[in-house]
Amino acid sequence: DAKTTQPNSMESNEEEPVHLPCNHSTISGTDYIHWYRQLPSQGPEYVIHGLTSNVNNRMASLAIAEDRKSSTLILHRATLRDAAVYYCILKGGNEKLTFGTGTRLTIIP
Amino acid sequence: GAVVSQHPSRVICKSGTSVKIECRSLDFQATTMFWYRQFPKQSLMLMATSNEGSKATYEQGVEKDKFLINHASLTLSTLTVTSAHPEDSSFYICSARDMLDTIYFGEGSWLTVV
Repeated sequence: DAKTTQPNSMESNEEEPVHLPCNHSTISGTDYIHWYRQLPSQGPEYVIHGLTSNVNNRMASLAIAEDRKSSTLILHRATLRDAAVYYCILKGGNEKLTFGTGTRLTIIP
Repeated sequence: GAVVSQHPSRVICKSGTSVKIECRSLDFQATTMFWYRQFPKQSLMLMATSNEGSKATYEQGVEKDKFLINHASLTLSTLTVTSAHPEDSSFYICSARDMLDTIYFGEGSWLTVV
């Protein structure tokens, strides 16, 4: 499985944008970039995914570098409820999701 | 969005007994479901991939005779921890893949073996 690298932890102030980086230099042409987040004592929650173009949904935006070797999850206005561990995962079609250590995001009131 | 439900959310069992955890996709059919285990402050570890109507595929190091997985229908998979021991105490999480290849996770099930 292609590997992703994320910072172990990040902090952000409430109501400010958050940019969560992910490096995936060995990504293959068919790998989608998926983001999930896990709140304490809950199962992971799907956030967003993309292949090449930037993606937006009601939860977040995903900015994908032109060479696809990195991506950034953008939370436009962080709330306390966004405090979670965020996982960036590469996945080809019909493959399983393999979780790394993720980024623990702390929101400061 | 799609919903995956696990039951029970918490269970306590005695050492040596077996316990079953159910995973249901409530509003979609899931040909593939996945089972994960997560210890405190660690990431999710994939245990097995379950395909409807066929035997589960276990990850390396996971004992298939201890963790029995059944996926008898397109909306239900079960994980049975047999002869449970205290070291099996963990957070067990299932996920299900829909027809668009999006994977949704259940809420997780806390197992405590005493």
